[in-house]
Amino acid sequence: QVQLHESGPGLVKPSGTLSLTCAVSGGSISSSNWWSWVRQPPGKGLEWIGETYLGGSTNYNPSLKSRVTMSVDKSRNQFSLNLSSVTAADTAVYYCARSEYGSGSPYYWGQGTLITVSS
Amino acid sequence: QSALTQPASVSGSPGQSITISCTGTSSDFDYNSVSWYQQHPGKAPKLMIYDVNNRPSGVSNRFSDSKSGNTASLTISGLQAEDEADYYCSSYTSSSTRVFGGGTKLTVL
Repeated sequence: QVQLHESGPGLVKPSGTLSLTCAVSGGSISSSNWWSWVRQPPGKGLEWIGETYLGGSTNYNPSLKSRVTMSVDKSRNQFSLNLSSVTAADTAVYYCARSEYGSGSPYYWGQGTLITVSS
Repeated sequence: QSALTQPASVSGSPGQSITISCTGTSSDFDYNSVSWYQQHPGKAPKLMIYDVNNRPSGVSNRFSDSKSGNTASLTISGLQAEDEADYYCSSYTSSSTRVFGGGTKLTVL
């Protein structure tokens, strides 16, 4: 059973960079699946951040594209998200996820980690 | 990014059927790739339907969806108390991005 676990700092200062890692167990980061990041501000809906495939192809939300970088570490079986120039609007629960079926919609999800942007 | 519009809330009584709509505002959406997620408070989303009326293993056949024009619809039949949750549609786009609808809160009366 694939399991995903996000880890991050919890608190990030405004204008800083948010860095998150998603550790993968029960499956290989090199498998033919889309690896995604999705976030959810407190009390609000889901927002797709981006996805990467086999550590090569990446797609980002156009509204975040200038600030987002996703990468894959095959040696550690994990993938990462960097979001720069953060503001309070980036405060959210951040989820990592992996596709399983069809057109690549996220199927396996981490439990989520709350990131607060505050000084 | 183009939007997917869902009603803010729907409700129904146990045993009834309800439908949640998801309307795209752009021809960018691949309506054959619409997925539906269920999210209970404090939990990660759960994929219920993918690529129009395909259910992952273990998802009840009380959940189904359909597509008409630029609108996808999720139907839940035989409503149960545990169906009370937030529901989100999602679609792939011609720009190789994904987008979520704003979410619908389902209340089981």
